[in-house]
Amino acid sequence: DAGITQSPRYKITETGRQVTLMCHQTWSHSYMFWYRQDLGHGLRLIYYSAAADITDKGEVPDGYVVSRSKTENFPLTLESATRSQTSVYFCASSEWGTAGYTFGSGTRLTVV
Amino acid sequence: QQQVKQSPQSLIVQKGGISIINCAYENTAFDYFPWYQQFPGKGPALLIAIRPDVSEKKEGRFTISFNKSAKQFSLHIMDSQPGDSATYFCAASKGGSEKLVFGKGTKLTVNP
Repeated sequence: DAGITQSPRYKITETGRQVTLMCHQTWSHSYMFWYRQDLGHGLRLIYYSAAADITDKGEVPDGYVVSRSKTENFPLTLESATRSQTSVYFCASSEWGTAGYTFGSGTRLTVV
Repeated sequence: QQQVKQSPQSLIVQKGGISIINCAYENTAFDYFPWYQQFPGKGPALLIAIRPDVSEKKEGRFTISFNKSAKQFSLHIMDSQPGDSATYFCAASKGGSEKLVFGKGTKLTVNP
């Protein structure tokens, strides 16, 4: 199916564990983004990528790691999950020259 | 530092009424101003966008008004319907950058 898909849809993990959230897009968009959404904070940029093997920090990158070995995939890893990382995570993509994002459906992560 | 300030945080409107959501920005380098609509359990979806060379853009019942001198832009929803009940985010990006900065969101409820 064409589009942008995130997995898993829901995840519960324990404090200190490593967890990876997956994001896959089928359009070959150049840009991909990870945002977290928290009540009272809106959407905050964690990391973004302009192309394969090019990534850069956003507003709230601490505690997160990203990679982009292939254009279509942009996984987000929490190296040692903390309760403050409980959130809804959204992946988005856009083509070069436009900021018209397409968002995935999100991953709701709970760290206990 | 909040680069895009959105108000109100929540809004209740009667069916058929006009919903107005306002955003203000500081960075004069911003030149792309989209609005996103998000339903519960879904990712945000691009609703309408404007660039500062025009003062207004209309798509169906949705209108963006842009005031460059005041550094403000707003979303007007005419003839609001219960199906418009959602969270709305304004955003902005700088020329040549695909990174969006989002407001904190407005939860709109349209009562039947």
